[in-house]
Amino acid sequence: AQSVTQLDSQVPVFEEAPVELRCNYSSSVSVYLFWYVQYPNQGLQLLLKYLSGSTLVKGINGFEAEFNKSQTSFHLRKPSVHISDTAEYFCAVQTIIQGAQKLVFGQGTRLTINP
Amino acid sequence: DAGVTQSPTHLIKTRGQHVTLRCSPISGHKSVSWYQQVLGQGPQFIFQYYEKEERGRGNFPDRFSARQFPNYSSELNVNALLLGDSALYLCASSFTSEYQETQYFGPGTRLLVL
Repeated sequence: AQSVTQLDSQVPVFEEAPVELRCNYSSSVSVYLFWYVQYPNQGLQLLLKYLSGSTLVKGINGFEAEFNKSQTSFHLRKPSVHISDTAEYFCAVQTIIQGAQKLVFGQGTRLTINP
Repeated sequence: DAGVTQSPTHLIKTRGQHVTLRCSPISGHKSVSWYQQVLGQGPQFIFQYYEKEERGRGNFPDRFSARQFPNYSSELNVNALLLGDSALYLCASSFTSEYQETQYFGPGTRLLVL
Protein backbone atom coordinates (compact mmCIF):
# COMPACT_ATOMS: atom_id res chain seq x y z
CA ALA A 1 0.00 0.00 0.00
CA GLN A 2 1.11 3.51 -0.73
CA SER A 3 1.90 5.89 2.12
CA VAL A 4 3.38 9.35 2.59
CA THR A 5 5.43 10.64 5.50
CA GLN A 6 6.05 14.33 6.02
CA LEU A 7 8.98 14.44 8.36
CA ASP A 8 8.29 17.82 9.97
CA SER A 9 4.93 18.82 11.42
CA GLN A 10 6.02 22.45 11.81
CA VAL A 11 8.75 24.50 10.16
CA PRO A 12 9.44 28.07 11.36
CA VAL A 13 11.54 30.19 9.01
CA PHE A 14 12.55 33.84 8.81
CA GLU A 15 11.37 35.88 5.87
CA GLU A 16 13.68 35.73 2.81
CA ALA A 17 15.39 32.59 4.14
CA PRO A 18 15.38 29.33 2.14
CA VAL A 19 13.12 26.47 3.17
CA GLU A 20 12.84 22.73 2.54
CA LEU A 21 9.78 20.68 3.45
CA ARG A 22 10.53 16.98 3.48
CA CYS A 23 8.36 14.21 2.08
CA ASN A 24 9.03 10.49 1.77
CA TYR A 25 6.70 8.02 0.12
CA SER A 26 6.35 4.27 -0.19
CA SER A 27 4.95 2.70 -3.31
CA SER A 28 5.30 -0.57 -5.16
CA VAL A 29 4.21 0.86 -8.51
CA SER A 30 4.87 3.91 -10.66
CA VAL A 31 4.31 7.05 -8.64
CA TYR A 32 2.59 10.28 -9.34
CA LEU A 33 3.47 12.83 -6.67
CA PHE A 34 1.88 16.13 -5.74
CA TRP A 35 2.34 19.03 -3.37
CA TYR A 36 -0.73 21.00 -2.34
CA VAL A 37 -0.92 24.15 -0.21
CA GLN A 38 -3.76 25.02 2.14
CA TYR A 39 -4.10 28.60 3.32
CA PRO A 40 -6.10 29.21 6.52
CA ASN A 41 -9.79 28.35 6.14
CA GLN A 42 -9.41 27.40 2.50
CA GLY A 43 -9.31 24.30 0.31
CA LEU A 44 -6.24 22.75 -1.30
CA GLN A 45 -4.37 24.48 -4.12
CA LEU A 46 -2.04 22.55 -6.40
CA LEU A 47 1.57 23.74 -6.08
CA LEU A 48 3.29 21.28 -8.38
CA LYS A 49 3.27 17.68 -9.57
CA TYR A 50 5.62 14.96 -10.79
CA LEU A 51 4.23 12.56 -13.36
CA SER A 52 7.30 11.62 -15.39
CA GLY A 53 10.34 13.14 -17.08
CA SER A 54 12.66 15.64 -15.39
CA THR A 55 13.09 14.93 -11.71
CA LEU A 56 13.19 18.65 -10.90
CA VAL A 57 9.71 20.07 -11.01
CA LYS A 58 8.88 23.76 -10.85
CA GLY A 59 5.57 25.00 -9.51
CA ILE A 60 3.75 28.17 -8.66
CA ASN A 61 4.92 30.90 -6.28
CA GLY A 62 8.61 30.04 -6.79
CA PHE A 63 8.41 26.55 -5.31
CA GLU A 64 10.20 23.53 -6.76
CA ALA A 65 10.53 19.88 -5.81
CA GLU A 66 12.94 17.10 -6.67
CA PHE A 67 11.85 13.50 -7.21
CA ASN A 68 14.47 11.06 -5.91
CA LYS A 69 13.53 7.49 -6.71
CA SER A 70 16.42 5.86 -4.85
CA GLN A 71 15.59 7.73 -1.65
CA THR A 72 11.82 7.64 -2.27
CA SER A 73 11.64 11.35 -1.55
CA PHE A 74 9.91 14.37 -3.03
CA HIS A 75 11.15 17.34 -1.01
CA LEU A 76 9.72 20.83 -1.60
CA ARG A 77 12.03 23.84 -1.69
CA LYS A 78 11.92 27.59 -2.05
CA PRO A 79 15.08 29.74 -2.10
CA SER A 80 13.51 32.78 -0.41
CA VAL A 81 10.20 32.71 1.45
CA HIS A 82 7.69 35.49 1.95
CA ILE A 83 5.19 36.14 4.72
CA SER A 84 2.43 35.13 2.29
CA ASP A 85 3.88 31.57 2.15
CA THR A 86 2.56 30.92 5.66
CA ALA A 87 0.26 27.91 5.18
CA GLU A 88 -0.11 24.15 5.58
CA TYR A 89 1.66 22.08 2.92
CA PHE A 90 0.59 18.56 1.97
CA CYS A 91 2.54 15.98 0.03
CA ALA A 92 0.46 13.30 -1.70
CA VAL A 93 0.89 10.21 -3.86
CA GLN A 94 -1.79 9.24 -6.34
CA THR A 95 -2.77 5.63 -6.67
CA ILE A 96 -5.47 3.44 -8.16
CA ILE A 97 -7.13 1.15 -5.64
CA GLN A 98 -9.87 -1.18 -6.85
CA GLY A 99 -10.49 1.08 -9.83
CA ALA A 100 -10.67 4.30 -7.83
CA GLN A 101 -8.22 7.16 -8.40
CA LYS A 102 -7.13 8.11 -4.91
CA LEU A 103 -4.75 10.63 -3.36
CA VAL A 104 -2.95 9.47 -0.23
CA PHE A 105 -1.82 12.48 1.79
CA GLY A 106 0.81 13.04 4.42
CA GLN A 107 -0.06 14.63 7.73
CA GLY A 108 0.96 18.08 6.55
CA THR A 109 3.71 20.56 7.43
CA ARG A 110 2.80 23.92 8.87
CA LEU A 111 5.15 26.56 7.47
CA THR A 112 5.37 29.70 9.58
CA ILE A 113 7.26 32.71 8.25
CA ASN A 114 8.58 35.13 10.83
CA PRO A 115 9.48 38.73 9.90
CA ASP B 1 -12.89 29.71 -15.72
CA ALA B 2 -14.72 28.69 -12.58
CA GLY B 3 -12.99 26.19 -10.37
CA VAL B 4 -14.60 23.52 -8.25
CA THR B 5 -17.46 24.96 -6.23
CA GLN B 6 -18.98 23.57 -3.05
CA SER B 7 -22.02 24.45 -0.99
CA PRO B 8 -22.70 25.30 1.71
CA THR B 9 -19.45 26.77 3.04
CA HIS B 10 -20.32 26.10 6.67
CA LEU B 11 -22.88 23.90 8.38
CA ILE B 12 -23.84 23.16 11.97
CA LYS B 13 -25.81 20.00 12.77
CA THR B 14 -26.65 17.99 15.85
CA ARG B 15 -25.92 14.32 16.49
CA GLY B 16 -28.29 11.96 14.72
CA GLN B 17 -29.21 14.38 11.94
CA HIS B 18 -28.29 13.91 8.33
CA VAL B 19 -26.52 16.29 5.98
CA THR B 20 -26.15 16.79 2.22
CA LEU B 21 -23.12 18.51 0.76
CA ARG B 22 -22.92 19.60 -2.87
CA CYS B 23 -20.13 19.93 -5.40
CA SER B 24 -19.86 21.24 -8.95
CA PRO B 25 -16.74 20.16 -10.85
CA ILE B 26 -14.65 22.22 -13.23
CA SER B 27 -16.39 22.46 -16.60
CA GLY B 28 -15.48 19.43 -18.71
CA HIS B 29 -14.38 17.31 -15.76
CA LYS B 30 -16.25 14.02 -15.44
CA SER B 31 -14.76 12.66 -12.22
CA VAL B 32 -15.58 13.85 -8.72
CA SER B 33 -13.95 12.65 -5.50
CA TRP B 34 -14.78 13.42 -1.89
CA TYR B 35 -12.28 13.72 0.96
CA GLN B 36 -12.67 14.27 4.70
CA GLN B 37 -10.11 16.42 6.50
CA VAL B 38 -10.24 16.26 10.28
CA LEU B 39 -8.54 19.14 12.08
CA GLY B 40 -4.77 18.71 12.14
CA GLN B 41 -4.67 15.85 9.65
CA GLY B 42 -4.32 15.31 5.93
CA PRO B 43 -7.42 14.64 3.82
CA GLN B 44 -8.78 11.08 3.72
CA PHE B 45 -10.41 9.60 0.61
CA ILE B 46 -14.15 8.87 0.89
CA PHE B 47 -15.51 8.27 -2.64
CA GLN B 48 -14.79 8.67 -6.31
CA TYR B 49 -17.47 8.93 -9.00
CA TYR B 50 -16.84 8.86 -12.72
CA GLU B 51 -19.51 9.11 -15.39
CA LYS B 52 -22.18 8.78 -12.69
CA GLU B 53 -20.81 5.47 -11.39
CA GLU B 54 -19.03 4.84 -8.10
CA ARG B 55 -15.44 3.88 -8.80
CA GLY B 56 -14.42 3.23 -5.24
CA ARG B 57 -14.78 4.16 -1.61
CA GLY B 58 -12.43 4.58 1.29
CA ASN B 59 -12.68 3.15 4.77
CA PHE B 60 -15.87 4.95 5.78
CA PRO B 61 -19.09 3.46 7.21
CA ASP B 62 -22.28 2.99 5.22
CA ARG B 63 -23.65 6.17 6.79
CA PHE B 64 -21.69 7.92 4.08
CA SER B 65 -23.14 7.81 0.56
CA ALA B 66 -22.83 9.86 -2.59
CA ARG B 67 -24.11 10.18 -6.10
CA GLN B 68 -23.22 11.96 -9.31
CA PHE B 69 -25.73 13.61 -11.60
CA PRO B 70 -25.87 13.75 -15.43
CA ASN B 71 -24.24 17.23 -15.34
CA TYR B 72 -21.36 15.64 -13.31
CA SER B 73 -22.17 17.53 -10.13
CA SER B 74 -22.21 15.44 -6.98
CA GLU B 75 -23.78 15.14 -3.55
CA LEU B 76 -22.30 13.62 -0.42
CA ASN B 77 -24.80 12.43 2.16
CA VAL B 78 -24.03 11.54 5.74
CA ASN B 79 -26.71 9.96 7.94
CA ALA B 80 -26.92 9.60 11.73
CA LEU B 81 -24.23 12.21 12.30
CA LEU B 82 -21.65 11.62 15.02
CA LEU B 83 -19.45 14.15 16.78
CA GLY B 84 -16.49 12.61 14.96
CA ASP B 85 -17.96 13.58 11.61
CA SER B 86 -17.00 17.19 12.31
CA ALA B 87 -14.48 18.02 9.61
CA LEU B 88 -13.75 19.91 6.41
CA TYR B 89 -15.25 18.02 3.48
CA LEU B 90 -13.37 18.57 0.26
CA CYS B 91 -14.52 17.85 -3.25
CA ALA B 92 -12.01 17.35 -6.06
CA SER B 93 -12.57 17.01 -9.79
CA SER B 94 -10.48 15.63 -12.63
CA PHE B 95 -11.02 15.22 -16.34
CA THR B 96 -11.01 11.45 -16.18
CA SER B 97 -10.39 8.81 -13.53
CA GLU B 98 -7.02 7.82 -14.98
CA TYR B 99 -4.03 7.29 -12.73
CA GLN B 100 -2.08 10.34 -13.88
CA GLU B 101 -4.91 12.86 -13.87
CA THR B 102 -4.53 15.84 -11.57
CA GLN B 103 -7.29 16.43 -9.04
CA TYR B 104 -8.35 20.03 -8.37
CA PHE B 105 -9.98 20.86 -5.08
CA GLY B 106 -12.82 23.12 -4.08
CA PRO B 107 -12.86 25.38 -1.01
CA GLY B 108 -14.58 22.76 1.14
CA THR B 109 -17.60 22.60 3.41
CA ARG B 110 -16.87 22.90 7.10
CA LEU B 111 -19.25 20.69 9.09
CA LEU B 112 -19.63 21.01 12.84
CA VAL B 113 -21.64 18.36 14.66
CA LEU B 114 -22.81 19.28 18.17
